[in-house]
Amino acid sequence: SYELTQPLSVSVAPGQTASVTCGGKNIGGKNVHWYQQKPGQAPVLVIYRGNNRPSGIPERFSGSNSENTATLTISRARAGDEADYYCQVWDSNSVIFGGGTKLTVL
Amino acid sequence: QVQLQESGPGLVKPSQTLSLTCTVSGGSISSGGYYWNWIRQNPGKGLEWIGYIYHTGSTYSDPSLNSRVAMSVDTSKNQLSLKLNSVTAADTAVYYCARVNSGAMDIWGQGTMVTVSS
Repeated sequence: SYELTQPLSVSVAPGQTASVTCGGKNIGGKNVHWYQQKPGQAPVLVIYRGNNRPSGIPERFSGSNSENTATLTISRARAGDEADYYCQVWDSNSVIFGGGTKLTVL
Repeated sequence: QVQLQESGPGLVKPSQTLSLTCTVSGGSISSGGYYWNWIRQNPGKGLEWIGYIYHTGSTYSDPSLNSRVAMSVDTSKNQLSLKLNSVTAADTAVYYCARVNSGAMDIWGQGTMVTVSS
């Protein structure tokens, strides 16, 4: 079955740029979606189909995808961006989630 | 705007059946165009997809769970339901329903915690 691999944790200094990666075989050929989940809350969609932001998501959030790695980039990171981030794709009619990355802003 | 709300018992005994409902407000399930999904999250763990149902009633679930999962839709009540049988402690989780729009889960319910314990 298809697998998505994310780093367990990523740290970034306030104001700097954070990159969260999502590895998968030939993921560049898939639509990748990204979710932000803060403690005790439901996930929120932040990027869909690679590099599209839903209404209300700041331009600081962007996505890219090529070959075997998709990347969520958060520019000018803020304390409020601290959260778990999950990538997601569809494969063979199933939803696949990455294991999640904890982003720390310090 | 469309909102989702999960409901159901917070405590289920081992070997019994977990039953949850997701009520959709602000929009009609029967209007079509969306897949309605169930996802769960074990305490301190990542997201696990359970399956989806379309407004026509067609379903698809994760192969690891599909022998224990049943999903249905009641368009008259604008509700989805999930049943998971033969539960064990490993089924203890927060259960979410979510709408899929163009492949992405754009609307989520707040989630409901279910504990499996005697």
